[in-house]
Amino acid sequence: AQSVTQLDSHVSVSEGTPVLLRCNYSSSYSPSLFWYVQHPNKGLQLLLKYTSAATLVKGINGFEAEFKKSETSFHLTKPSAHMSDAAEYFCVVRSSNFGNEKLTFGTGTRLTIIP
Amino acid sequence: DSGVTQTPKHLITATGQRVTLRCSPRSGDLSVYWYQQSLDQGLQFLIHYYNGEERAKGNILERFSAQQFPDLHSELNLSSLELGDSALYFCASDGGRPPYNEQFFGPGTRLTVL
Repeated sequence: AQSVTQLDSHVSVSEGTPVLLRCNYSSSYSPSLFWYVQHPNKGLQLLLKYTSAATLVKGINGFEAEFKKSETSFHLTKPSAHMSDAAEYFCVVRSSNFGNEKLTFGTGTRLTIIP
Repeated sequence: DSGVTQTPKHLITATGQRVTLRCSPRSGDLSVYWYQQSLDQGLQFLIHYYNGEERAKGNILERFSAQQFPDLHSELNLSSLELGDSALYFCASDGGRPPYNEQFFGPGTRLTVL
């Protein structure tokens, strides 16, 4: 079984300040982990992925995430928020188990950027 | 543009009706996944097809069914629609073989049941 917990349903930061979106996961098998972003009335776009290579993963638009197995965490960060970062962010886990290749989504974190 | 296409973009229908949502995967992808996004349930996996065969089922109602055709496009059929079926329906695709990396999402079909 696999699951994802996003620890904050809403995060508000001022433009130019750091962003931290927290995610904890659970997986019976070696997981792949992703962050997807959804802008209002848009589809899902991949921000970054962890697939058992480097534990610090860089994504698009200046976002990064660090895989910490001991803490079962995969938090998303960005050094300086931009107005265009306002969106819903989903932490996602996927097992490597054949027949269970679906994505399991967290409940999402809505990021608001204060001008 | 992910390369995954979905039609229609919007669908408005009445309770009790039946609709069909269509998805074309990225060129070369053999797996298609359907997900439902609603306000109360979040993003949930419905069903997975690989090269024409059903591989896994998630929280899919008996009123819903899907299939994947020889050209690899997929259709999701929703029948006896209820108000609670109003949601955004996404399909996604990938190669369907290890390593299981990201899935590529279509733009979604927004279903409104009145």
